[in-house]
Amino acid sequence: QQQVKQSPQSLIVQKGGISIINCAYENTAFDYFPWYQQFPGKGPALLIAIRPDVSEKKEGRFTISFNKSAKQFSLHIMDSQPGDSATYFCAATLQYSSASKIIFGSGTRLSIRP
Amino acid sequence: GAVVSQHPSRVICKSGTSVKIECRSLDFQATTMFWYRQFPKQSLMLMATSNEGSKATYEQGVEKDKFLINHASLTLSTLTVTSAHPEDSSFYICSARDPGLAGGQYEQYFGPGTRLTVT
Repeated sequence: QQQVKQSPQSLIVQKGGISIINCAYENTAFDYFPWYQQFPGKGPALLIAIRPDVSEKKEGRFTISFNKSAKQFSLHIMDSQPGDSATYFCAATLQYSSASKIIFGSGTRLSIRP
Repeated sequence: GAVVSQHPSRVICKSGTSVKIECRSLDFQATTMFWYRQFPKQSLMLMATSNEGSKATYEQGVEKDKFLINHASLTLSTLTVTSAHPEDSSFYICSARDPGLAGGQYEQYFGPGTRLTVT
């Protein structure tokens, strides 16, 4: 029930295209869904996050779509650029609980072809 | 966002020796810090949660005596890999939780990671 399932495992997108990564969760108690971007040899960095009371959040070229009834959320990267090539992790947690841990998806390796 | 540092960024040690990795929250006080391990092309695996001034809580399957965690201050946690072996070679990442956000929510910030190679 604590799992977060992420797909695809890897993704190749042409420059300028839209990259889409999907995640699904089971625990309806989760109240915070962050996405992390990780470059090789670096720690993950928070990219964008959403709470379940909204269906979409947009920050620049990055958009999270959230479907509470389906327990699914996705990251859309518009106008994908070579600099977006990285591994992306979706995650879920309880942001107001001091005892909460971040549950990570398995990751998606995104490659943007020039 | 807040900054978390790790030192060293890379370390090579011989089998049987011990290695200490430091994790610091630079601009906030972290009552809770986390240690993760990441193998190539895999997700982050939580090893343990450390709370300032108390013993760390280890995840199932993580050897407490092998991975010693100390959280002696609100800005510093250390991970010591004792009697390291080649299979301990991995990317170790710490994170620190900032409890001081407006609204009562917690945000977790990650360090840049430490690449440990045991020869």
